[in-house]
Amino acid sequence: KAGVTQTPRYLIKTRGQQVTLSCSPISGHRSVSWYQQTPGQGLQFLFEYFSETQRNKGNFPGRFSGRQFSNSRSEMNVSTLELGDSALYLCASSSPGTGNSPLHFGNGTRLTVT
Amino acid sequence: AQKVTQAQTEISVVEKEDVTLDCVYETRDTTYYLFWYKQPPSGELVFLIRRNSFDEQNEISGRYSWNFQKSTSSFNFTITASQVVDSAVYFCALSGGFYGGSQGNLIFGKGTKLSVKP
Repeated sequence: KAGVTQTPRYLIKTRGQQVTLSCSPISGHRSVSWYQQTPGQGLQFLFEYFSETQRNKGNFPGRFSGRQFSNSRSEMNVSTLELGDSALYLCASSSPGTGNSPLHFGNGTRLTVT
Repeated sequence: AQKVTQAQTEISVVEKEDVTLDCVYETRDTTYYLFWYKQPPSGELVFLIRRNSFDEQNEISGRYSWNFQKSTSSFNFTITASQVVDSAVYFCALSGGFYGGSQGNLIFGKGTKLSVKP
């Protein structure tokens, strides 16, 4: 079974630009979550989608948004990039149903904002 | 508020030594889940174990073992006879309970970087 796939692996953008990151979950997984990882703040939850609906959102500004498609693939968008947005962005998927099934993470997209 | 503390920032051991990674958590939920993840240099977080708050039984999987103690709010992870391939950053994480909690919202500790030298 293929794992969680994130594209692209690396991205370099300029301050003020916007960026879209993509995530394909494990086949059959309908829940997708996004996390930001930085050396200073560690791993922080961005948002979670289930059946195309945002189920939960972390404490990030409105510049960070996401969506999920009917095939469970997800994208996250960051507009008006700031230097502090440089981070590893990790996507994770989990199987449907109740009970906190474990998250399975992708390799991440490393975003550098210059 | 929920919180996970991994007091050990970095640990360095020599191969074949045993090593314990500490994790202390705070939550007001009566039902919750605890996790350990491993992050090798490639960046992917690899799931190791999940424990729910009603299951205090210790678990052993090969060289890995976990000790969950609700009385001290700790969920420690021990690697026996460490190997160079165990070198990675290890994260402890907490999620809210079944009811009203989100599956995908984990609270992570800052991680412990383990270096195993040959």
